Amino acid sequence: AQSVTQPDIHITVSEGASLELRCNYSYGATPYLFWYVQSPGQGLQLLLKYFSGDTLVQGIKGFEAEFKRSQSSFNLRKPSVHWSDAAEYFCAVGADTPLVFGKGTRLSVIA
Amino acid sequence: NAGVTQTPKFHILKIGQSMTLQCTQDMNHNYMYWYRQDPGMGLKLIYYSVGAGITDKGEVPNGYNVSRSTTEDFPLRLELAAPSQTSVYFCASSKGTGEVHQPQHFGDGTRLSIL
Repeated sequence: AQSVTQPDIHITVSEGASLELRCNYSYGATPYLFWYVQSPGQGLQLLLKYFSGDTLVQGIKGFEAEFKRSQSSFNLRKPSVHWSDAAEYFCAVGADTPLVFGKGTRLSVIA
Repeated sequence: NAGVTQTPKFHILKIGQSMTLQCTQDMNHNYMYWYRQDPGMGLKLIYYSVGAGITDKGEVPNGYNVSRSTTEDFPLRLELAAPSQTSVYFCASSKGTGEVHQPQHFGDGTRLSIL
């Protein structure tokens, strides 16, 4: 069965610092991978997605993610975090079945 | 451009009562989904639909029912509400091509408390 693990429940970074959020997945076939962001009181917004091809994908708001098949990982990165990036981030996997979501990583940004 | 609209945004329900959470989308998407979100647990799929007249159970369907009579609407019904159903409910829709599921559009959620 497919599953997603986000090892970090909560991460705090300083504004301007780099960010990496971890995501590991289990999926029986070639996965489609997604990162979503959720601001307080809001629904989820798609940041980026990987279907095939180049393993480094660019998304909105300056985020990128790298698919590493050998490590079953799809980590999200941003070179310089802004205070407005404080939110909850969800990794998800799926293709011919509905998406399965990780439990999320809450990002706090400090001055 | 409304996207996915959920009503109500907040509701308090008494144990044993029933209610329907409404979801409508104006993007002509074939696929629609209902999730519940509990603190620290991510999103759990309740039911989904790949087209009008077709629905399937997700991971946590017990205590819920759905129907899909039109492309636009996908209501979620709670029968005999229980405290365990206190949660935030999200509806989502996807263009859905072939067998590929891509819920890319989420509503803002319905926050439901059962007391």
